[in-house]
Amino acid sequence: GQQLNQSPQSMFIQEGEDVSMNCTSSSIFNTWLWYKQDPGEGPVLLIALYKAGELTSNGRLTAQFGITRKDSFLNISASIPSDVGIYFCAGPGQGAQKLVFGQGTRLTINP
Amino acid sequence: DVKVTQSSRYLVKRTGEKVFLECVQDMDHENMFWYRQDPGLGLRLIYFSYDVKMKEKGDIPEGYSVSREKKERFSLILESASTNQTSMYLCASSSPGTGYGYTFGSGTRLTVV
Repeated sequence: GQQLNQSPQSMFIQEGEDVSMNCTSSSIFNTWLWYKQDPGEGPVLLIALYKAGELTSNGRLTAQFGITRKDSFLNISASIPSDVGIYFCAGPGQGAQKLVFGQGTRLTINP
Repeated sequence: DVKVTQSSRYLVKRTGEKVFLECVQDMDHENMFWYRQDPGLGLRLIYFSYDVKMKEKGDIPEGYSVSREKKERFSLILESASTNQTSMYLCASSSPGTGYGYTFGSGTRLTVV
């Protein structure tokens, strides 16, 4: 089946640092999504990407749809304590409306 | 505020028990999903439903079943709970009109002892 590999699995950074994480797929995707899960909550959609090469921002977050359509990247600038959580990439699974998720990147911020 | 509500945040059950996890959404969404979340494995799809009384297996359906008698409610059933089913369970809903914009519940952390 389709697999998504996220890197890194965890990050420990200082407040104010920039963050970069990525996601690669074993197959081509026509949509990439990035979700964030706050501690004790369900994931929430941050950014959706629909076109190869697309670069989309949401505040301090910027995500890119890789040109090969097999990868995507998420950057967070000037991290703050509320950025703590688990970030998941996701893409369409086989069959309409299903999503397959990556393993997640756990972000921890030292104040 | 639109919501997906999972009936329990924490559950502790004994091996062999029949366990029901309930999920209700108030957005009139057609699609509902049950995922399981384990460290290092991300979210894995157990079952999903595109319509009332309709269900399809996801990637890891073994040991689980589901029920969708009403559009707003999607239940996950563990027929005979086992310790390897200790996990966080997440329910989500979506509509074809929302693309892949899932709305997730807050999750149920199930411990089987």
